[in-house]
Amino acid sequence: EVQLVESGGGLVQPGRSLKLSCAASGFTFSNYYMAWVRQAPKKGLEWVATISTSGSRTYYPDSVKGRFTISRDNAKSSLYLQMNSLKSEDTATYYCARYSGYWYFDFWGPGTMVTVSS
Amino acid sequence: DIQMTQSPASLSASLEEIVTITCQASQNIGNWLAWYQQKPGKSPQLLIYGTTSLADGVPSRFSGSRSGTQYSLKISRLQVEDIGIYYCQQASSTPYTFGAGTKLELK
Repeated sequence: EVQLVESGGGLVQPGRSLKLSCAASGFTFSNYYMAWVRQAPKKGLEWVATISTSGSRTYYPDSVKGRFTISRDNAKSSLYLQMNSLKSEDTATYYCARYSGYWYFDFWGPGTMVTVSS
Repeated sequence: DIQMTQSPASLSASLEEIVTITCQASQNIGNWLAWYQQKPGKSPQLLIYGTTSLADGVPSRFSGSRSGTQYSLKISRLQVEDIGIYYCQQASSTPYTFGAGTKLELK
């Protein structure tokens, strides 16, 4: 059974940093592109970052480019999101998601909440 | 960026009713469209990908279609377990964008 479990969320002040983790199991992690998708409270979904199977290629929307860094450790079947210079508008539930083989998200974790507030 | 305009924003329907949700893409995305269902307090789940293909385990009462740049999700006979918020997502080009969601409730 495919499982994705995020951790690392919490309350952080504006301008500070936070690192999220996602532990994957139930599939060959190194064979899949992975992503982070976020959802602000009572709002819709926003793609945040994508990483290739080897980690050599990463992609971001303009809203987080230069502030967020996605990475992975295939030996540990783990995905990460380093978030720097956090803003109040980054407040959201962050989901770890697996790409299906095309650019669709076929499995999602339960999410971890990040609150940026002073 | 490609904009996905989803309608209606909310919908109230009766059990066994036919329900249709639409998404309008701001430019050509071919068949690179997916639909997700998000139940209250849960993470989204993939329902349909490639405009018309059902994800594993999704009941056959769900179907997807396309007319030009307008995409539709149809539930042929609404069931209690179908209640939630539905999102479309274009997978044609980055940034991969989602519609704003349709909240489906029971009448």
